[in-house]
Amino acid sequence: DADVTQTPRNRITKTGKRIMLECSQTKGHDRMYWYRQDPGLGLRLIYYSFDVKDINKGEISDGYSVSRQAQAKFSLSLESAIPNQTALYFCATARDSSYNEQFFGPGTRLTVL
Amino acid sequence: SQKIEQNSEALNIQEGKTATLTCNYTNYSPAYLQWYRQDPGRGPVFLLLIRENEKEKRKERLKVTFDTTLKQSLFHITASQPADSATYLCAPLYNNNDMRFGAGTRLTVKP
Repeated sequence: DADVTQTPRNRITKTGKRIMLECSQTKGHDRMYWYRQDPGLGLRLIYYSFDVKDINKGEISDGYSVSRQAQAKFSLSLESAIPNQTALYFCATARDSSYNEQFFGPGTRLTVL
Repeated sequence: SQKIEQNSEALNIQEGKTATLTCNYTNYSPAYLQWYRQDPGRGPVFLLLIRENEKEKRKERLKVTFDTTLKQSLFHITASQPADSATYLCAPLYNNNDMRFGAGTRLTVKP
């Protein structure tokens, strides 16, 4: 089984809808991250969490919110989706040290019409 | 503002040659820098980390250098193979808590 899983893998929705993307991990890592990837722009950090009670905004948090339900689960919500939120979204985890590598999930492709 | 640039969007080389990818950053001084590989439709996979006090790091056919004066990292793949074809991302540490990723260089190794 994959260590970092994301659901759904693909989602098409309409402008104004609320969407939740979910991430689960079995690696036992404390740190979890949400990124979006757009062609030519690379990965951009949306939110990150160092433990259940510690959530921080990243580079592009406007229009997004997150919830850390447990050490293993980190959800990303789009309260009112808009077309420019169409992107590939990745969840990642890391051990409790900034030096450690990040482990990425398979990604969720979101299309907002 | 901080900026990360990877030298080219795409790089094509012949099998057996050495591929060299460049990552330049401006307006900050990362304590370390990581390199990742990303295949189409998949999440990035960690390859190497190099710290600011290290000039060079090697792992099998991979070599990374880190020049804090030039604010540049070079990523080399020697004896390249078609299986090395992928997008390679550099990620300098942005602050103590997170990294920032470059847009990536898509490498194609032709047989």
